[in-house]
Amino acid sequence: DAGVTQSPTHLIKTRGQHVTLRCSPISGHKSVSWYQQVLGQGPQFIFQYYEKEERGRGNFPDRFSARQFPNYSSELNVNALLLGDSALYLCASSLHLGAQETQYFGPGTRLLVL
Amino acid sequence: QKEVEQNSGPLSVPEGAIASLNCTYSDRVSQSFFWYRQYSGKSPELIMSIYSNGDKEDGRFTAQLNKASQYVSLLIRDSQPSDSATYLCAVNRGNYGGSQGNLIFGKGTKLSVKP
Repeated sequence: DAGVTQSPTHLIKTRGQHVTLRCSPISGHKSVSWYQQVLGQGPQFIFQYYEKEERGRGNFPDRFSARQFPNYSSELNVNALLLGDSALYLCASSLHLGAQETQYFGPGTRLLVL
Repeated sequence: QKEVEQNSGPLSVPEGAIASLNCTYSDRVSQSFFWYRQYSGKSPELIMSIYSNGDKEDGRFTAQLNKASQYVSLLIRDSQPSDSATYLCAVNRGNYGGSQGNLIFGKGTKLSVKP
């Protein structure tokens, strides 16, 4: 079975630009979460979606937005990119919501902002 | 105080030894606890999950949870060079404070297993 897939794998942008990252969850999984991981740190929660509705939001500015589609895939959008947005962006999927739901991570999109 | 704390290491152990990785968390409402392994340049991979006090064993891995002390650990027996990676401790607080169960990660402990 295919795991979580993300595209693109790598991306280079300049300050002020906009970026869209894409994620397809494991088949049957209805929840998608997005995390940002900067070098030397653990992943930091950005958004969680379940059944196309936002169910959680981390401490990120409004430049960050996301959505989930009827097929449970998801997009993360970041506007007005800053140098500090350079990071590995991870998508994770789980079957449902809940504290005991295991989240499975995709390979990530490595974003470099110049 | 950070929500999830880990010693960043590096923790160096000889091949065949037991590696002990520790994690403390600050929020008593935390419900679920996960250990992820992350190789350099790769994404996190689930190693163990634990939800109740005590020990949970899976092959060479044992997770230990003590909710009273707000402490969770991971033991790796018979450590192999292929175990060399960063180990991330993650906590899920469940439906608390409007969250629907996002993971809160520590910074990770870098483990190096020497042949």
